[in-house]
Formats: sequence, structure tokens, C-alpha cells
Amino acid sequence: RKEVEQDPGPFNVPEGATVAFNCTYSNSASQSFFWYRQDCRKEPKLLMSVYSSGNEDGRFTAQLNRASQYISLLIRDSKLSDSATYLCVVNIGGGSNYKLTFGKGTLLTVNP
Amino acid sequence: ETGVTQTPRHLVMGMTNKKSLKCEQHLGHNAMYWYKQSAKKPLELMFVYNFKEQTENNSVPSRFSPECPNSSHLFLHLHTLQPEDSALYLCASSQALAGVVLGEQYFGPGTRLTVT
Repeated sequence: RKEVEQDPGPFNVPEGATVAFNCTYSNSASQSFFWYRQDCRKEPKLLMSVYSSGNEDGRFTAQLNRASQYISLLIRDSKLSDSATYLCVVNIGGGSNYKLTFGKGTLLTVNP
Repeated sequence: ETGVTQTPRHLVMGMTNKKSLKCEQHLGHNAMYWYKQSAKKPLELMFVYNFKEQTENNSVPSRFSPECPNSSHLFLHLHTLQPEDSALYLCASSQALAGVVLGEQYFGPGTRLTVT
């Protein structure tokens, strides 16, 4: 099982649609979880952290299920500007491991 | 503007050349990172420095040599690279404590490297 595995995509949705991305991780000791966004030919930027209780930031909702080792990101009322690659990121933490493990990313295109 | 700058933004080099990539962070962070991003592959962590000490080397070939003279600057020295080393090289910084990245990593814009 890959350390961090995401929906392969790509996702093509119309403006206003709701879209959900899923991500699974293999290490049950993982401590921190994030969704990053990467625009074409740009660097990744943090979209939101993912907390155990789930969290919402405007149109974006992140959920964590530790038992199933599963993270999700829901985008409501998609905008053209949401078009990007969404990266699921997991930090195992502990010991001397500073590693943030990135998924391959899921490409989202929002169409007019 | 992310507070992490990288130079050069683009680099073309032959396999016998020696070049260096530079990264500088203005965020007061104590950890800096080099990542490689190739097409259709996830971001690969190459090196981690915490308080100028190298804490992680992810089995990177010796033709890549990092240097961290202080907590704000990070270099990646390149020599005798191969065409498959062509990729986007991203620098990042964060606060870190006891092996845990605190908060987010801030990335620089990257250096797009082409090895001919």
C-alpha cells in the first residue's frame, strides 16, 4: 500500500458543482494531515489542515477518519479559480522524522 | 509572496557542469527542506535541515550535495547530473520540534532544472 494514495482524477466539473476528493494513508502513527493546493507551474500552498473533529473553511470541508486511515476534502459551489491540483499530505511525526509525505495529487478543472 | 525565495528560477546545464541552487527564507523558521518534483510523481523529499544540522537524507545520490550555512539559507550543489534529474526543485521552510513539522511548510517558487 502506498504511503499516501489519492483519487487519480482528473476531475472536470461545472461551476457551482460539489466535488469530493479522497485520500488514504498507510501509517497508523501519522499525526498531522493537510490539504495543499498547487496551481500549474507554481509551488504548493497550504489549503487547510485536517483536524480529528473535521473542519470547515468557507466552501471547503475536510474530514479525517483515523480508524479507516482516510482523509477527504469537499468543495462546494466550485469556482473557476478552484482549478488546481490538490495534494493530500501526511506527517508521520515522532522521533527524528520531519517528513511530510505527499500524495500524487488530484487535478481539478472547473469549467464555465 | 511566500517569504521563501529561490534562485535561479530556471537552469539548463550539461551533464559535466557544476551549478548551485540557492534558497533563502525570511520567516524565522528553524527547518528547511529540498524537494524534487518530477512529472507524474509525488513530491519527493530530498534533504531536511533543522537548526543547520542535516536530519534527513532520503537516499539521494551524491551528485546532489546540500549545504546549510545558517538557518535562513540553503543551497543545493549539483555536479555530473543525469538527464533524469531534470525536474522542479522546491525549497521549503517550517517550524519543527522533536521531529514534527509545526503548522505548514512554506514553499519557494522552485527552480526548473533541465539537464542536457
